[in-house]
Amino acid sequence: DAGVIQSPRHEVTEMGQEVTLRCKPISGHDYLFWYRQTMMRGLELLIYFNNNVPIDDSGMPEDRFSAKMPNASFSTLKIQPSEPRDSAVYFCASSWVVAGEGVNEQFFGPGTRLTVL
Amino acid sequence: GENVEQHPSTLSVQEGDSAVIKCTYSDSASNYFPWYKQELGKRPQLIIDIRSNVGEKKDQRIAVTLNKTAKHFSLHITETQPEDSAVYFCAAIAGGTSYGKLTFGQGTILTVHP
Repeated sequence: DAGVIQSPRHEVTEMGQEVTLRCKPISGHDYLFWYRQTMMRGLELLIYFNNNVPIDDSGMPEDRFSAKMPNASFSTLKIQPSEPRDSAVYFCASSWVVAGEGVNEQFFGPGTRLTVL
Repeated sequence: GENVEQHPSTLSVQEGDSAVIKCTYSDSASNYFPWYKQELGKRPQLIIDIRSNVGEKKDQRIAVTLNKTAKHFSLHITETQPEDSAVYFCAAIAGGTSYGKLTFGQGTILTVHP
């Protein structure tokens, strides 16, 4: 398997523009997570899905952020309109649950480095 | 919800010394505790994990211990090498309705001096 795939790897945009980040989880994984990482705030969970259903979006900063998972192999995180304070590295991760064992390792994608000017 | 505290925030050791990083968690229902290593500009990668039915786990130079009563767990790296220099994150899995959700500690910057 190619692992978790994210695109784009780098994104530079101007304030006010819409940004869409994409993620393809590892095949067979039923959990998908979106994280944001900054020096100041560390690694923050934004939202996560189980079987394509959003379970917890309490980490989404505000209404400018939205995430979807239309099927088991694709998810998007959208920021509209973007602001300079959204500049960060955004990671997608996926995981799976084994009956009787519980949740397993989260595999992270390579991340998208977003710069909002 | 779950809260994970990690200490120290920075740790500097000489090559060959041991390094210990400690974490505490708040949710007594947590049952999975992974440790991730993140090198500069790279993604976090799992280095070791432990489940609540085990008190200690070892993998070569790395070991993790868990004290469920005290709700703390620790990462031990022996015979440190310069390539161990990275940011290390502990995490705990939430229980209840947030099952599946990892809460991460704030990270420890480990520097191993040759």
